[in-house]
Amino acid sequence: GENVEQHPSTLSVQEGDSAVIKCTYSDSASNYFPWYKQELGKRPQLIIDIRSNVGEKKDQRIAVTLNKTAKHFSLHITETQPEDSAVYFCAASITFGNEKLTFGTGTRLTIIP
Amino acid sequence: DVKVTQSSRYLVKRTGEKVFLECVQDMDHENMFWYRQDPGLGLRLIYFSYDVKMKEKGDIPEGYSVSREKKERFSLILESASTNQTSMYLCASSLKTGRGYTFGSGTRLTVV
Repeated sequence: GENVEQHPSTLSVQEGDSAVIKCTYSDSASNYFPWYKQELGKRPQLIIDIRSNVGEKKDQRIAVTLNKTAKHFSLHITETQPEDSAVYFCAASITFGNEKLTFGTGTRLTIIP
Repeated sequence: DVKVTQSSRYLVKRTGEKVFLECVQDMDHENMFWYRQDPGLGLRLIYFSYDVKMKEKGDIPEGYSVSREKKERFSLILESASTNQTSMYLCASSLKTGRGYTFGSGTRLTVV
C-alpha cells in the first residue's frame, strides 16, 4: 500500500519568515495530495490540495508544489504569523473522488514571535 | 457548513469492554472513514465505507469492526477493548466526487 513520509517532525521559525514541510510518497499511481492543518485541540482542516496534473498551486500565503518524477510534494508558508502555529499533515490518494487518504506523520510548526 | 459529529469527546473504558464510537454527518456525504491518531504515527485508517451497508478494511482493522446502516451514521466498534487501543479516534466524511475530508472533533478513548 501507499506510504507517506513527512519531514521535519518539528519546525520553529521566526514570525515573518517562511516555512517548508516536505513529504514523499511511495505509490507512483497517487494523484491527489491534500494538506491538513490541526490546531491544538481541534479537528484537522483542509487548507490546500493539488492534483497530479498540476505542478504548483497557491492560495495567498500558502503554496504546494508537486514533483511526480521524484514522488515528493511540499507545503510552503510565507510571511508566517502566530496563527500558523499548528500540526500540519500531508496526505496522498490514488484517486480523486472516493479518495482514500494515507497521511504523513505530521509536522508541529511553531511560530516564534 | 458540513458538520461531522462524534458522540463523545472523552471516553474511559475498562479492558475487555465492548465500545461503540458513533459518528454522524449532516451533509449527505457518501463516504465515511475512521482513523486513529497517535503521536509520531499520524493518522492511520481503520475502516471506511463508500455506501450504506458497505465497509472496507483500512490499514489497521484488527480489533475493530464498523457498522453503516444509514448514510449519515458510521459506527466504530471495539469488540473487546485493550490498552493498546487507547488513542484519539477521528471520524471523517467526504463526497464521492472528491475534494478531501471533513473531520469530526475526535473522541479521546482511554482503556484502563
